[in-house]
Amino acid sequence: EAGVAQSPRYKIIEKRQSVAFWCNPISGHATLYWYQQILGQGPKLLIQFQNNGVVDDSQLPKDRFSAERLKGVDSTLKIQPAKLEDSAVYLCASSLSRANIQYFGAGTRLSVL
Amino acid sequence: GESVGLHLPTLSVQEGDNSIINCAYSNSASDYFIWYKQESGKGPQFIIDIRSNMDKRQGQRVTVLLNKTVKHLSLQIAATQPGDSAVYFCAENRSPGGSGGGADGLTFGKGTHLIIQP
Repeated sequence: EAGVAQSPRYKIIEKRQSVAFWCNPISGHATLYWYQQILGQGPKLLIQFQNNGVVDDSQLPKDRFSAERLKGVDSTLKIQPAKLEDSAVYLCASSLSRANIQYFGAGTRLSVL
Repeated sequence: GESVGLHLPTLSVQEGDNSIINCAYSNSASDYFIWYKQESGKGPQFIIDIRSNMDKRQGQRVTVLLNKTVKHLSLQIAATQPGDSAVYFCAENRSPGGSGGGADGLTFGKGTHLIIQP
């Protein structure tokens, strides 16, 4: 069974530029999560989708971050404009349904210069 | 502050010995706990989970213990191998999810780096 796919693996941008990350969850998984992991810390939830609807985006900095899952499968996370403190690994996870085990992708490492 | 944390940032053990990684949580309403292993350059990998109606659960070479009285969680790895070298995170979920509303995002601690000495 294929795991959670994320791209790109690495991205380097300058501050104030925009960037987008893509996630393809495990086939059949209805729930999708985006986490931010700053170096030396545990992942922190940004947003949770159930199919194409948002369940929780309370920790998403909505002035610069946005995410969508229009068809309830793939998802994109966008940052515009990026700040230095956005440098982190952005992890996507999916689960069969809510309250099931979350499986993570390898992440996208973002460096903002 | 964070409700889930780990006591030690680094744990060094001899190959073949047993490892015990500890975790404390502060929210007594938490009802689901998970241990993840994260190797360098990879995403967290599920190891084992436990619900609050249990106090022990065993997997292959791993055991998770939950002490709700003192809000403490531990991961025991038997006969530690070089491939066990990684950062280990405990995580909690405060919501049962499902149709009851609320979110299911995990709250992670900072992690413990397990180092295996040959």
